[in-house]
Amino acid sequence: SQTIHQWPATLVQPVGSPLSLECTVEGTSNPNLYWYRQAAGRGLQLLFYSVGIGQISSEVPQNLSASRPQDRQFILSSKKLLLSDSGFYLCAWNRYSTGELFFGEGSRLTVL
Amino acid sequence: LAKTTQPISMDSYEGQEVNITCSHNNIATNDYITWYQQFPSQGPRFIIQGYKTKVTNEVASLFIPADRKSSTLSLPRVSLSDTAVYYCLVGEYSGAGSYQLTFGKGTKLSVIP
Repeated sequence: SQTIHQWPATLVQPVGSPLSLECTVEGTSNPNLYWYRQAAGRGLQLLFYSVGIGQISSEVPQNLSASRPQDRQFILSSKKLLLSDSGFYLCAWNRYSTGELFFGEGSRLTVL
Repeated sequence: LAKTTQPISMDSYEGQEVNITCSHNNIATNDYITWYQQFPSQGPRFIIQGYKTKVTNEVASLFIPADRKSSTLSLPRVSLSDTAVYYCLVGEYSGAGSYQLTFGKGTKLSVIP
């Protein structure tokens, strides 16, 4: 069966510090991978998606970046965090044939 | 990208049937309609998916009219544990073989005892 893991689960970082959130998928190959962000009390915003190693598409211009160094690994990064980067970050993958998304447990980031 | 419009919130009493309608006027031929449920501090989880007419599973039904410009999620006999945010998504197929799935703001369903 397929599983998706995200870490860390919670993170408190000062403004201007770097960020690295990791996501890995097991039990499938060549998944589409996604990073979403959910600000407090709001819906999910698609940040990045990837269809393969090294292939990243950005949906929203910002100070975040994503990388896919391996087929089942997706990393969200920032060189300098802003207060507005606080939120709940979700990694997801989906099957090629349908739109069904499978989400990780999420990473809650608080920037102080 | 096909955009979706849903009510921001709905209230229902326990035991009632709840219908949440989603509008997606720009739905494309290859698009599927998918509904997700999200509890606080959790990732959304898949509820049901359809292309046209009616789809039913063990937790919900999805009604899609012939023009596919809207869809209705039906939750039979809701309980307090159904209190959550419900998202309607319309899946797009891109040339790269991926889906750009955009979540709207969802509908916050509150079930009242």
